Amino acid sequence: GENVEQHPSTLSVQEGDSAVIKCTYSDSASNYFPWYKQELGKRPQLIIDIRSNVGEKKDQRIAVTLNKTAKHFSLHITETQPEDSAVYFCAASRGTGNQFYFGTGTSLTVIP
Amino acid sequence: DAGVTQSPTHLIKTRGQQVTLRCSPISGHKSVSWYQQVLGQGPQFIFQYYEKEERGRGNFPDRFSARQFPNYSSELNVNALLLGDSALYLCASSAGLVGQPQHFGDGTRLSIL
Repeated sequence: GENVEQHPSTLSVQEGDSAVIKCTYSDSASNYFPWYKQELGKRPQLIIDIRSNVGEKKDQRIAVTLNKTAKHFSLHITETQPEDSAVYFCAASRGTGNQFYFGTGTSLTVIP
Repeated sequence: DAGVTQSPTHLIKTRGQQVTLRCSPISGHKSVSWYQQVLGQGPQFIFQYYEKEERGRGNFPDRFSARQFPNYSSELNVNALLLGDSALYLCASSAGLVGQPQHFGDGTRLSIL
């Protein structure tokens, strides 16, 4: 089955700096890669996603890049704000179903 | 439109008991997936149902079962509860079967004593 690894497990940045979270996946058949933000005690919320036919996608301060050859994808948050503090999860999904395989999460703290 | 709704919010059970968790998907979504999230970890896939049929099963014992109803709502059943079943159980719905964004509910926090 799919194995998704996520790094780092914790990340602290100063407000205004950039944050980068990296994930690798093992199954070359995976073709859909969402990112979720989960605040303490709340539901995971989809913040951005990318499909395997695209190398990069941006949405305001958030961007995701995908390298299919190396089987890794990354989340980039620019101009971080205290409200960006949360746990971020990457996930991978194969084309034969909608089963998501999640990484172990990155706890991001933005220091004012 | 309402998002994914789950009930109950919290549940306390003892070892050996059985539990049923419920999920209503976003209106128009035909796919429901169940995940188990243990504290400090990412969600682990349990089941996916689409059009009332099981379309995927994760690496969980047969004590876990689920079903989807004609209105696309779903139930997750867990029998013979173990201490290790204590977790947040998340339901997610999506419009289609393959490569679709999944939208999560708030989850059911299950505690086993």
